[in-house]
Amino acid sequence: TQLLEQSPQFLSIQEGENLTVYCNSSSVFSSLQWYRQEPGEGPVLLVTVVTGGEVKKLKRLTFQFGDARKDSSLHITAAQPGDTGLYLCAEYYNTDKLIFGTGTRLQVFP
Amino acid sequence: DTAVSQTPKYLVTQMGNDKSIKCEQNLGHDTMYWYKQDSKKFLKIMFSYNNKELIINETVPNRFSPKSPDKAHLNLHINSLELGDSAVYFCASSLGLEAFFGQGTRLTVV
Repeated sequence: TQLLEQSPQFLSIQEGENLTVYCNSSSVFSSLQWYRQEPGEGPVLLVTVVTGGEVKKLKRLTFQFGDARKDSSLHITAAQPGDTGLYLCAEYYNTDKLIFGTGTRLQVFP
Repeated sequence: DTAVSQTPKYLVTQMGNDKSIKCEQNLGHDTMYWYKQDSKKFLKIMFSYNNKELIINETVPNRFSPKSPDKAHLNLHINSLELGDSAVYFCASSLGLEAFFGQGTRLTVV
């Protein structure tokens, strides 16, 4: 089974700072997704990347898929307290099985 | 109008009891899942169903038995609850690459 390692595991920053979260695998991704989970809620899909080298932007969030499709990053510019949450990368393994990374817990302080 | 709804949201029970968690989705999706999220926030797939048929069983103990009476429902029954079963259980459904999650059921076994 694919193992998706995320780093860092925890991140505490001040409002206005930039940050990057990484997702790595030993195998090639078919596609990669990023989810955000807020306390007391289920994960919500942010983006899906499919093509190696692809970059997608969602307001202050920039998602990048590695050229070799074995890694991905999520960059947040000028973080806000509302960005606080658990960020999860995920991949469909054998089309039916959505597996998640180890997660990055982000806390943004005002 | 909630897309994926789970009940109950909280469940506190004694060791050895049997309990059920219900899940319903009104999105018309064919695939439904159960996930377990532990105290370290790792989200691990338990079961995957496609159109009422079991597709994936991730070596979950036999005490856990999913049941899908129709493709909009996937319930989870747990026999002989153990302390280690304490976690947040998430139901999800998907069509294509996007998965939609319920709010989770926090199960505490005492």
